Amino acid sequence: GAVVSQHPSRVICKSGTSVKIECRSLDFQATTMFWYRQFPKKSLMLMATSNEGSKATYEQGVEKDKFLINHASLTLSTLTVTSAHPEDSSFYICSARTSGGGKDTQYFGPGTRLTVL
Amino acid sequence: AQSVTQLDSQVPVFEEAPVELRCNYSSSVSVYLFWYVQYPNQGLQLLLKYLSGSTLVKGINGFEAEFNKSQTSFHLRKPSVHISDTAEYFCAVMESGQGGKLIFGQGTELSVKP
Repeated sequence: GAVVSQHPSRVICKSGTSVKIECRSLDFQATTMFWYRQFPKKSLMLMATSNEGSKATYEQGVEKDKFLINHASLTLSTLTVTSAHPEDSSFYICSARTSGGGKDTQYFGPGTRLTVL
Repeated sequence: AQSVTQLDSQVPVFEEAPVELRCNYSSSVSVYLFWYVQYPNQGLQLLLKYLSGSTLVKGINGFEAEFNKSQTSFHLRKPSVHISDTAEYFCAVMESGQGGKLIFGQGTELSVKP
């Protein structure tokens, strides 16, 4: 199946700093990538849809100035958590969408554990 | 608005027993349906999907699911579970015309005991 990577797998940062998370589709091109947030023992919450070459579409309640998304190429999307605070600590997961040949499917990265001290 | 309901938050079962994880959805348009598995501190792995065609879908690790349009269900089944199947399972729906967005159920924690 299609492979999606995320980097870093875990990061610890101080309050007030910014953290960048990368999401790459390794063996396919993804015009659309998605960013999710997952709290402990909870389901995935869609944060935003990232489209290559255009602005991201954010879900209601997600601060676009805090969670900056850039989708610069067909294989890379980045999420930057700006001025991170402890409440931003969470598990962030990206996915990349395939849509060729009628096989519309999202493949997920392994996730990034963010801890803000 | 579409929604996905996984009726059981936790399912304990003994090794080699059969299991069914239930999923119901609501939508007014055509949908694609997915089951994902998540092991601790990992991302989601696709188990199986229904896009069209046969309503009985077979996936990896011996899992299968059946799409029932009249009951708006997509229950996941395995005839004999292993300890290694212990994980969180998520049902998800993608509505046509929504840009590929997935809406997830709340998840079901499958716990397989020896």
